[in-house]
Amino acid sequence: EVQLVQSGAEVKKPGESLKISCKGSGYSFTSYWIGWVRQMPGKGLEWMGIIYPGDSDTRYSPSFQGQVTISADKSISTAYLQWSSLKASDTAMYYCARQHIGYSSSHFDYWGQGTLVTVSS
Amino acid sequence: SSELTQDPAVSVALGQTVRITCQGDSLRSYYASWYQQKPGQAPVLVIYGKNNRPSGIPDRFSGSSSGNTASLTITGAQAEDEADYYCNSRDSSGNPWVFGGGTKLTVL
Repeated sequence: EVQLVQSGAEVKKPGESLKISCKGSGYSFTSYWIGWVRQMPGKGLEWMGIIYPGDSDTRYSPSFQGQVTISADKSISTAYLQWSSLKASDTAMYYCARQHIGYSSSHFDYWGQGTLVTVSS
Repeated sequence: SSELTQDPAVSVALGQTVRITCQGDSLRSYYASWYQQKPGQAPVLVIYGKNNRPSGIPDRFSGSSSGNTASLTITGAQAEDEADYYCNSRDSSGNPWVFGGGTKLTVL
């Protein structure tokens, strides 16, 4: 059974750093892209970026480039999303999802349960 | 702002058919995928590619595309279909992929 299990909720102060995780199981972790999606409170889904754990090829949305870092450790089948200096506006639910990318279509077929990040002084 | 445009809200009578649309230039050459999200839950894939349903998704869900518009159709809407629906596809303005703004479906 394919599963993506994310790390638990975090409460941080502005300026602090944070790294959340997404552990894949039940499939070949190095053979599929993993994407990160933000959902701010009461708002829609936002595509942040993706990583291919096989070779760490990473793509970012221009909106998130430079604001976050996506990485992966294929030895433990885990992808990461990290911030060096959090802002209150980073408060959101963050989902990881397995993304299939084809020539004329792509889709996220499995999703993590989400990690709620709260940034407040 | 999203390069994929969805109506913010749509309603349908129980048992009737509803179409949820997603517009964007990239849809002329790239299929959309569709996600259902209920309150407090992670999104769920309902349609991908030309018109493919993952295992477990009822056949009342279908997808289509014409020009710059992708559509998700629910034929015989059920109360449990009340949710937010999001499309996702390539972005024509440099963003690798993008979600539409979402459509809140109310089943009356």
